[in-house]
This record gives sequence, C-alpha cells and structure tokens, in this order.
Amino acid sequence: GAGVSQSPRYKVAKRGQDVALRCDPISGHVSLFWYQQALGQGPEFLTYFQNEAQLDKSGLPSDRFFAERPEGSVSTLKIQRTQQEDSAVYLCASSFRPSGGRWVYNEQFFGPGTRLTVL
Amino acid sequence: SQQGEEDPQALSIQEGENATMNCSYKTSINNLQWYRQNSGRGLVHLILIRSNEREKHSGRLRVTLDTSKKSSSLLITASRAADTASYFCATPNTGNQFYFGTGTSLTVIP
Repeated sequence: GAGVSQSPRYKVAKRGQDVALRCDPISGHVSLFWYQQALGQGPEFLTYFQNEAQLDKSGLPSDRFFAERPEGSVSTLKIQRTQQEDSAVYLCASSFRPSGGRWVYNEQFFGPGTRLTVL
Repeated sequence: SQQGEEDPQALSIQEGENATMNCSYKTSINNLQWYRQNSGRGLVHLILIRSNEREKHSGRLRVTLDTSKKSSSLLITASRAADTASYFCATPNTGNQFYFGTGTSLTVIP
C-alpha cells in the first residue's frame, strides 16, 4: 500500500527564495505532523494538524514558516525568504486517530523527507 | 529543543552481537516509542511501550522502561548488517508535540 510521500525529495534554493514542500499522508490518516531534522540530530517538531485544523504550530521557528492542509489530506509547508539556517531535512508524518482514542498512543508513519539546501 | 537523549551517540558491533542503547527523558510520559532511521530515509516505528509497562518484546527487540529514572533501553539481539541505522526514542508531551532524542548511530559489521 502507499505510504507517506513527500515532494520534492531534494530542493536547492538561493537565499531569499520562497519554497513549498508537499506531503501526501496515508489515506484516512487524521493527524499530520511536520518535523525539521538537522544533520546528525533527531527530528524537531514544527506543527500538527488534525484534519484541516492546525492545532499546534508552536514549533515553527519564525513567521517565515507557514503550513496548511486545506482539505484535510495533502499538506504544504512553505518557507518564505529562505535563510541558510533553514537548510535541513523536512519530514512529514501521519497517524491514524481512532474514534475516542488518543493519537499519542499511535505510531507515526514518516515520509522520506525533503532535503532543503539554501545557498 | 529535544527532550530525549540517547546513549551512546554511536555504537559499532560485530554481526551476531547484541546492541543496547539507552534513552533518558525529562518530563512525565504516557508512552515512549522507538524509531529507526536508515541513512537518507524517513523514520520507521519499531515499538511502543506504555508508562504502566516495564518491558516489551517484539521479535529481536526488547524495550525496557523505568519511569522512576525517566529512562528506557532498546536491546537488539543477534544483530544483522541490516540493523545498521540511527535509532531514536520519542515521547509525546501532554499536548500535541512529539519529542525525539538525539539518536544512536548503530553500525553492524558483517
């Protein structure tokens, strides 16, 4: 079956450019997460969606980062005016949340990530 | 910021040996999860242990949890070259955030 897909897999941007990273979660998964992973580090939480609602964006490092999931499926992470410190792998994960259950008991399914390099 | 810290940062063993890695965390949890990440790939869920459990097994994996010490360990028995990867522990907070540790890089030498 199809897993979580992300595109593009690699993106090179010049400093100051805007970029858009796409995530296609597993069909039927309610929860969607974005993470930023620097080289040699673990993933760092950026934001969380439940269906189309962005319930937590406390991990977004600045107002240059914006995420949306307008129809509750595909999500886009947009970074405006990219800086060199934005260079990282951006991971998307989705999770199924059963009725009455708490998502924190569910495993997350990760996409392969988008490696962003800002020159 | 990362909540979990894995130890050791890197581990190199011979195929067939056992690999043990540890995770420490800071706040109260209701569960702890371990993930594996192969180079250049996304993370794959390995096992989840709830706060009221002390030990859990899945195939060649054995996870322990000591909530009094805020620590967990992952044991991989009879390691294989294919186990070469980075291993992360992850804990959810009371909200929606999910914290990952810094990871242990495991190399299994054939």
